[in-house]
Amino acid sequence: SQKIEQNSEALNIQEGKTATLTCNYTNYSPAYLQWYRQDPGRGPVFLLLIRENEKEKRKERLKVTFDTTLKQSLFHITASQPADSATYLCAPNNYGQNFVFGPGTRLSVLP
Amino acid sequence: DVKVTQSSRYLVKRTGEKVFLECVQDMDHENMFWYRQDPGLGLRLIYFSYDVKMKEKGDIPEGYSVSREKKERFSLILESASTNQTSMYLCASRNRAGNTEAFFGQGTRLTVV
Repeated sequence: SQKIEQNSEALNIQEGKTATLTCNYTNYSPAYLQWYRQDPGRGPVFLLLIRENEKEKRKERLKVTFDTTLKQSLFHITASQPADSATYLCAPNNYGQNFVFGPGTRLSVLP
Repeated sequence: DVKVTQSSRYLVKRTGEKVFLECVQDMDHENMFWYRQDPGLGLRLIYFSYDVKMKEKGDIPEGYSVSREKKERFSLILESASTNQTSMYLCASRNRAGNTEAFFGQGTRLTVV
């Protein structure tokens, strides 16, 4: 069955550094992959989408890569700020109705 | 401003009670989803619906049922609540295109005592 893993449950980094979060999937080939941000006590909020034929996507300080050979996506936040502290969820999915998420990585940016 | 609204933010129910969690979206989306979220387990899909009166099981449907009588409303039903159903429940919707973003409600924290 399909499996989604995110590199670590929690990640601490210093303000100003680049945070790199990893999403790995096995036993399927998603057509696209999304990243979401979730703050405590709230629902996830969409950040970025990347398709299987795209290698990289950028939005302001965010960058996402998608390597279908490695079955992996990397999510980077450059010049990180304490306000970036949140849980980040990846969602590698295929076209269709089902929609699943990875377990998330809790990022803490320390001032 | 697009919106997914869940009927309750916090709910406390007794074991054995029938519980209804309601979700309404105002974006005319075809697809709607119910998840539960527990520490260390992430978001787990309970049920989803891709049209009125249609439903599909997700990864953990046991102990739950759903109803979608109108396009904008998707209800999650706990037929007989148990303490292991204490969790955060999240509803989401998105359009039929399938690769578009999902919009989530604010969540319902359900405690079964």
